[in-house]
Amino acid sequence: GAVVSQHPSRVICKSGTSVKIECRSLDFQATTMFWYRQFPKKSLMLMATSNEGSKATYEQGVEKDKFLINHASLTLSTLTVTSAHPEDSSFYICSARDLHRDTSAETQYFGPGTRLLVL
Amino acid sequence: QQQVKQSPQSLIVQKGGIPIINCAYENTAFDYFPWYQQFPGKGPALLIAIRPDVSEKKEGRFTISFNKSAKQFSLHIMDSQPGDSATYFCAASRFQGAQKLVFGQGTRLTINP
Repeated sequence: GAVVSQHPSRVICKSGTSVKIECRSLDFQATTMFWYRQFPKKSLMLMATSNEGSKATYEQGVEKDKFLINHASLTLSTLTVTSAHPEDSSFYICSARDLHRDTSAETQYFGPGTRLLVL
Repeated sequence: QQQVKQSPQSLIVQKGGIPIINCAYENTAFDYFPWYQQFPGKGPALLIAIRPDVSEKKEGRFTISFNKSAKQFSLHIMDSQPGDSATYFCAASRFQGAQKLVFGQGTRLTINP
């Protein structure tokens, strides 16, 4: 089956620093990747939709200058949390859509998530 | 209109029982309804999904029941096992296009031995 990886799986950083999270589709090409945020024992909240070669589309209330998204290739999207603060601590999850399957929603695969802790 | 409401918030069932998790949606444009299973510290994994053209879909021990007129759908887990203990999320989206998933609030399911 299709595999999506995220790196790092866990990261601890100091307040004020920036953190980059990578999302890779390992065995398929993804024109679209999604970034979600999940608080403990809560649901997934869509942050942005990342399209290869174009600017990401952010959901209402998500600061695009705070959460920088780059989708430079068909297999890689990155989320950079700039000037991180403790309130940015969360579980960040990406998903990717398989380009070569027909445009069915079943072809959206989730990564294992990245746990961010900002001290 | 974009909300998907899920209940119950938590559920405890004895092994072999049939937990049932319910979801309701508002947006009639939604035509794809997946269920995801998530273990602690992991990303969600697609369990089973249904389109509105059928009222029920079974895959192994998992069954989705869909009621289009009521805008409700539910997940049934047959012969539940302790290994099924996880958080379950329903979701809804358009089948085509941007396919942004709207997730329910999640149900923490515990299957006791």
